[in-house]
Amino acid sequence: LAKTTQPISMDSYEGQEVNITCSHNNIATNDYITWYQQFPSQGPRFIIQGYKTKVTNEVASLFIPADRKSSTLSLPRVSLSDTAVYYCLVGGTDDKIIFGKGTRLHILP
Amino acid sequence: DTEVTQTPKHLVMGMTNKKSLKCEQHMGHRAMYWYKQKAKKPPELMFVYSYEKLSINESVPSRFSPECPNSSLLNLHLHALQPEDSALYLCASSQFGDPPYTFGSGTRLTVV
Repeated sequence: LAKTTQPISMDSYEGQEVNITCSHNNIATNDYITWYQQFPSQGPRFIIQGYKTKVTNEVASLFIPADRKSSTLSLPRVSLSDTAVYYCLVGGTDDKIIFGKGTRLHILP
Repeated sequence: DTEVTQTPKHLVMGMTNKKSLKCEQHMGHRAMYWYKQKAKKPPELMFVYSYEKLSINESVPSRFSPECPNSSLLNLHLHALQPEDSALYLCASSQFGDPPYTFGSGTRLTVV
């Protein structure tokens, strides 16, 4: 199982771009990298998933270097409503998906 | 329908009670999961069902009993719980056991 390491917390200001990096040194060949957002007392919400290079959707971008040992979630122009815990998960089919400690993102006005 | 629905949203039960949590999805997903989440901690995996069969039990105490009656429904039967079992219980599903996973909004359980 690929263990993930993220910063425990981050602060940023409204309108800024926020980049959260996740380290996963023992990622396996068939593992995907998936990011989730969680608000208090709610279930995690899927943000973005990738395997290599760059993936972009309407809310975020995911950058994965060639060695895949890390990944960076990029949130453009954050707002107060982006204050949440962000989890990076690594795994493939039929894996036991284990959550790391996540990153508590606090957006300031 | 792209949701995982969990009921009830909130549950308060005594230590001698028997109750059940319900999880339902109609996305045709063949893998379903139960997670437990304590305050300010990440979700912890409890059980995994694959094609309606229990494939992973993370050494969960027997007072938690999962059941998968069909491919759309997942139950968690609770009996003789302890106050430390109070937590947010999350259900998730995935298409064939591969990411991404769709999570429900959870059941907030309080054991008194």
